Amino acid sequence: QSALTQPASVSGSPGQSITISCTGTSSDVGSHNLVSWYQQHPGKAPKVMIYEVSKRPSGVSNRFSGSKSGNTASLTISGLQAEDEADYYCCSYAGSSTYVVFGGGTKLTVL
Amino acid sequence: QVQLQESGPGLVKPSETLSLTCTVSGGSISSYYWSWIRQPAGRGLEWIGRMYTSGSTNYNPSLKSRVTMSVDTSKNQFSLKLNSVTAADTAVYFCAREWSTYRFDPWGQGTLVTVSS
Repeated sequence: QSALTQPASVSGSPGQSITISCTGTSSDVGSHNLVSWYQQHPGKAPKVMIYEVSKRPSGVSNRFSGSKSGNTASLTISGLQAEDEADYYCCSYAGSSTYVVFGGGTKLTVL
Repeated sequence: QVQLQESGPGLVKPSETLSLTCTVSGGSISSYYWSWIRQPAGRGLEWIGRMYTSGSTNYNPSLKSRVTMSVDTSKNQFSLKLNSVTAADTAVYFCAREWSTYRFDPWGQGTLVTVSS
């Protein structure tokens, strides 16, 4: 069982927006603005899409945005495109004993 | 740009030690954290641990008793050893650079390690 809870799957049609939630606790997501999101296509390595809750690395489309409220972080993808279909994982710093925890992953299907 | 490449045996026998190396190219290994992350087939990501080029390490508490990480700055490589492996350790193992803000970027392509007799 993963430390962070994500929905197993979400779906949306091209052009629509979707949001993936990532629920943790006051020891991880709730205590630190150190949440990151990763996109993983089948057979590929994960790629960082968001870091420090809402920052986008250079080269990542501004259709991807992140936010946080309490113990829940969220990834929003607007203007869905076929290429966005992938698995998405959230990740958070969890303090100086546990350090890093991941979510179980969410499979995004573009209908 | 920095690129990472994992290498090591793809098959390890139960109770033996899994050993992997990550070679960093396109930049210096110095002054960064470097991490190992694994992913069993069809499942999610699990952080194994990280090390700084000074040699300091932090490990996942659930694996800490079996993990050792090391770095060879002269070769721009860092390594993972996981002892007493079982079938549960079968996974794709990724190496990645870990920034001070706990983001992983870039990643290696991953290497599948199967634990089987």
